[in-house]
Amino acid sequence: QKEVEQDPGPLSVPEGAIVSLNCTYSNSAFQYFMWYRQYSRKGPELLMYTYSSGNKEDGRFTAQVDKSSKYISLFIRDSQPSDSATYLCAMSAGTDKLIFGTGTRLQVFP
Amino acid sequence: SAVISQKPSRDICQRGTSLTIQCQVDSQVTMMFWYRQQPGQSLTLIATANQGSEATYESGFVIDKFPISRPNLTFSTLTVSNMSPEDSSIYLCSARDRVMEQYFGPGTRLTVT
Repeated sequence: QKEVEQDPGPLSVPEGAIVSLNCTYSNSAFQYFMWYRQYSRKGPELLMYTYSSGNKEDGRFTAQVDKSSKYISLFIRDSQPSDSATYLCAMSAGTDKLIFGTGTRLQVFP
Repeated sequence: SAVISQKPSRDICQRGTSLTIQCQVDSQVTMMFWYRQQPGQSLTLIATANQGSEATYESGFVIDKFPISRPNLTFSTLTVSNMSPEDSSIYLCSARDRVMEQYFGPGTRLTVT
């Protein structure tokens, strides 16, 4: 079993839809959770960073962490074609390395 | 946030040669990393670049193949040695500035023929 599981997609939604992206993990020591967005032929861009449990909102993006279920989510409201990218979750227990999910490819069509 | 640049952005190299990739961060950072990303796949950590000491390599990666330098807190290099077509990939530099926020460079797209 991988430490971090993420559905690879692709996920195809119409413009304006609410998108839900998810990751599950097995290591209960994980405390730091990140979401990255990666456009084709570009490096990953840090989108959201959350420490421990709870929600964090930034514009159209909301990150949720449920440590009891070992489950994290990224919600995108009012999705736009410019949100079409691969979304990677990543997490860490502390000062050690990040563990990445495989990424979910999202397509938002007009 | 830290801004990271990499050189070269892409290269096509002959089998058996070596390529050195440079990574520059616009501010002093505590940790720097090198990743590899195969087409359509996620990121694989090659090593942690330690300032003033030998890099820490992940399982499956060795110093002879991927020598790394980090002479100061803003700069690192990764060399891909004795290249084969299997080394064709995107190589990404990454840096962690404060707490756990980690940023990535734009990547170096390497093709080995």
